[in-house]
Amino acid sequence: AQTVTQSQPEMSVQEAETVTLSCTYDTSESDYYLFWYKQPPSRQMILVIRQEAYKQQNATENRFSVNFQKAAKSFSLKISDSQLGDAAMYFCAYRSARGGSEKLVFGKGTKLTVNP
Amino acid sequence: GAVVSQHPSRVICKSGTSVKIECRSLDFQATTMFWYRQFPKQSLMLMATSNEGSKATYEQGVEKDKFLINHASLTLSTLTVTSAHPEDSSFYICSPHPAGTDTQYFGPGTRLTVL
Repeated sequence: AQTVTQSQPEMSVQEAETVTLSCTYDTSESDYYLFWYKQPPSRQMILVIRQEAYKQQNATENRFSVNFQKAAKSFSLKISDSQLGDAAMYFCAYRSARGGSEKLVFGKGTKLTVNP
Repeated sequence: GAVVSQHPSRVICKSGTSVKIECRSLDFQATTMFWYRQFPKQSLMLMATSNEGSKATYEQGVEKDKFLINHASLTLSTLTVTSAHPEDSSFYICSPHPAGTDTQYFGPGTRLTVL
């Protein structure tokens, strides 16, 4: 079974600074998807960024980028120019690309605090 | 973007009663529905997966007779917590998945408190 590990229960960053959230995963599959979700106090899950395992290029979405290291099974999230609205729980998630296995496996989450 | 609604957003009930949570995909058809449970300060844990018109598949440790899932149409799925107890108090989130896509959406969640 696949597992996702987020080793940082909490992180903090100064506004406008950069922070990196860590995520490692374990799988025997070669084709899969990786995601970072944000869960603000409203509890609504918001997709931040996704990465297809077959793509070598790291995904980027504005201030959010990932460092995907497939061999090391590492998938970290970098938030640049942090804003107060970035404060939230961040969950790393894995999903198999195999048909019929669309369920997400989540890490335990990292609580990000942004200090003004 | 896709719109998913959950009703009710918050419910308080007495121990022993049953509670039904509805999840609707308002502008797309969901062939697969995932139901997650999230305890305070914890991650989302998958409870069950259902496909439209079929019986749900439950994760290990989730009682199928306690958490009844109905996915009778492509836009509506319900989760009924039967004979609720205080330990069932949690945040329940539905996640509909349209067929033929690799996109997954999430409902806004339902906070259940059992007294």
